[in-house]
Amino acid sequence: SQTIHQWPATLVQPVGSPLSLECTVEGTSNPNLYWYRQAAGRGLQLLFYSVGIGQISSEVPQNLSASRPQDRQFILSSKKLLLSDSGFYLCARASGNTIYFGEGSWLTVV
Amino acid sequence: QKEVEQNSGPLSVPEGAIASLNCTYSDRGSQSFFWYRQYSGKSPELIMFIYSNGDKEDGRFTAQLNKASQYVSLLIRDSQPSDSATYLCAGYNNNDMRFGAGTRLTVKP
Repeated sequence: SQTIHQWPATLVQPVGSPLSLECTVEGTSNPNLYWYRQAAGRGLQLLFYSVGIGQISSEVPQNLSASRPQDRQFILSSKKLLLSDSGFYLCARASGNTIYFGEGSWLTVV
Repeated sequence: QKEVEQNSGPLSVPEGAIASLNCTYSDRGSQSFFWYRQYSGKSPELIMFIYSNGDKEDGRFTAQLNKASQYVSLLIRDSQPSDSATYLCAGYNNNDMRFGAGTRLTVKP
């Protein structure tokens, strides 16, 4: 199984509040993992990717951070959310040279 | 900057027609290319990938790659209303997958 679990599926958070989105994957060990964001009507923006435990590459400097505490766990966090953080957050894993997505987490910052 | 560009559309075709979706990329190091379909409010799902110059066919879908022109396309034959979605093109290079903004396709019955 190459299943990707994301939660929560939806959340509404006030500006300035913290955020934690969690992603866990099944299947082969040491997968490459990714966080993407899709703002309303926009394309997919790569936020972070990880090739292993504790290894995080950041694509966009902003108030978000990512961590990979375990081989199959990838967490997206923020200490203080901005309105512009609203969007559809997708966790993905690489299998071979292909990327597969989880079901996504809808974040609305109010 | 590693860019993948798509015509945002919307592209509208009648049922049964051929839909043609296009994509260009700037990163010559990209090794393979992907087409994803995304229904409104859902996560993208993989349709097909291509990594060699030429055509690759899978059912009603044909992907075309021209590395010299840095151009990728997707043809959908016998378009169905269920094909109405946003189609995302992506290029992959060394753990890095970059997406275009997507083309919205509407297939009218």
